[in-house]
Amino acid sequence: AQSVTQLDSQVPVFEEAPVELRCNYSSSVSVYLFWYVQYPNQGLQLLLKYLSGSTLVESINGFEAEFNKSQTSFHLRKPSVHISDTAEYFCAVSEGYNTDKLIFGTGTRLQVFP
Amino acid sequence: NAGVTQTPKFRVLKTGQSMTLLCAQDMNHEYMYWYRQDPGMGLRLIHYSVGEGTTAKGEVPDGYNVSRLKKQNFLLGLESAAPSQTSVYFCASSRDPGYNEQFFGPGTRLTVL
Repeated sequence: AQSVTQLDSQVPVFEEAPVELRCNYSSSVSVYLFWYVQYPNQGLQLLLKYLSGSTLVESINGFEAEFNKSQTSFHLRKPSVHISDTAEYFCAVSEGYNTDKLIFGTGTRLQVFP
Repeated sequence: NAGVTQTPKFRVLKTGQSMTLLCAQDMNHEYMYWYRQDPGMGLRLIHYSVGEGTTAKGEVPDGYNVSRLKKQNFLLGLESAAPSQTSVYFCASSRDPGYNEQFFGPGTRLTVL
């Protein structure tokens, strides 16, 4: 069975510092990987996804994530965070094509301080 | 396009009462989902639907029922609410399983006393 582990429940960081949010998954088959972001009092929004091809994927607001098959990881990074990045971040996995369900991690709350 | 909308936004129930949460999407998506979000547990799938007239159980279906009579609507029902069902409920929809991006509604905060 698939599972997703987000090792850090909270990550406090100062503005303009780099950040890494960790995500590891377990699956016996090929996977698709996603990061969703939830701003306060809102629903989840897709931040970026890995389906195939280049293992490094980027979002429009400066986040990037790298799919590492050997380490079964999909860590999210940003070189310089802003106050507006304060949110909860969820990693999710689905097992390949033509599956209708995502498995979510428990989330990491990123708190950016001025 | 409004995307995915949910009504109501907030609700307080007493134990044993019933209610229905409505989810609507205007993107012509085939797939729709109901999740609950609890602190420290992320999102857990309650029920989902792969098309009009179909429903299936997710990870935590007990105590909930669903219906998908129209493609654009997905209803979540609680027949006899329990305090353990206090949660934030999110609806989502997706175009097809291969694409797999889910679009979420703003959520319904339900408290059962």
